[in-house]
Amino acid sequence: GAVVSQHPSRVICKSGTSVKIECRSLDFQATTMFWYRQFPKQSLMLMATSNEGSKATYEQGVEKDKFLINHASLTLSTLTVTSAHPEDSSFYICSATILVQETQYFGPGTRLLVL
Amino acid sequence: SQELEQSPQSLIVQEGKNLTINCTSSKTLYGLYWYKQKYGEGLIFLMMLQKGGEEKSHEKITAKLDEKKQQSSLHITASQPSHAGIYLCGARRAAGNKLTFGGGTRVLVKP
Repeated sequence: GAVVSQHPSRVICKSGTSVKIECRSLDFQATTMFWYRQFPKQSLMLMATSNEGSKATYEQGVEKDKFLINHASLTLSTLTVTSAHPEDSSFYICSATILVQETQYFGPGTRLLVL
Repeated sequence: SQELEQSPQSLIVQEGKNLTINCTSSKTLYGLYWYKQKYGEGLIFLMMLQKGGEEKSHEKITAKLDEKKQQSSLHITASQPSHAGIYLCGARRAAGNKLTFGGGTRVLVKP
């Protein structure tokens, strides 16, 4: 149980375009989803916390207009990187929690390359 | 300084040998999580520790949390190539709060 999927797994886009990444909890309802980014050989950095039906809470230094998060249902959260630039190239990972358990279950990640 | 320090940063062990990874916090933790990540992939949940002095085991992996809830160790017995990867500890400071991750420990098991 507790499977989280992400789509796409890899994406290459041109600078200036927007990219949407989906995060789904497949066999449970996720009350909260988290979005992280990870640079090569570095640890995970939390970008934002997303609760179903409410606005996401962004970490300090993360531009909310740049990284749009939508959490429309208990099984789906999306991260849209708007007007992507090469410095946005990174590995983006989402996680989801089941109410009460508090353990975060992670998706397989999305590798974004902006040319 | 980092809130969560992991050591060592990397580790190479011979297959069959034991290894230990440490995770230290400057503040008392509400919960401590251990994950494993293979390069370019997501994180696999290993164990969660919440009580001071708690110890959990799964197959050949044992995790402990000290009485003060500021230090945790992950111990792998008789390591195998399948144990290779990046081990990350994640700390929760309060109930329902976010996780802060350590820098990770890269483990390579030589056959």
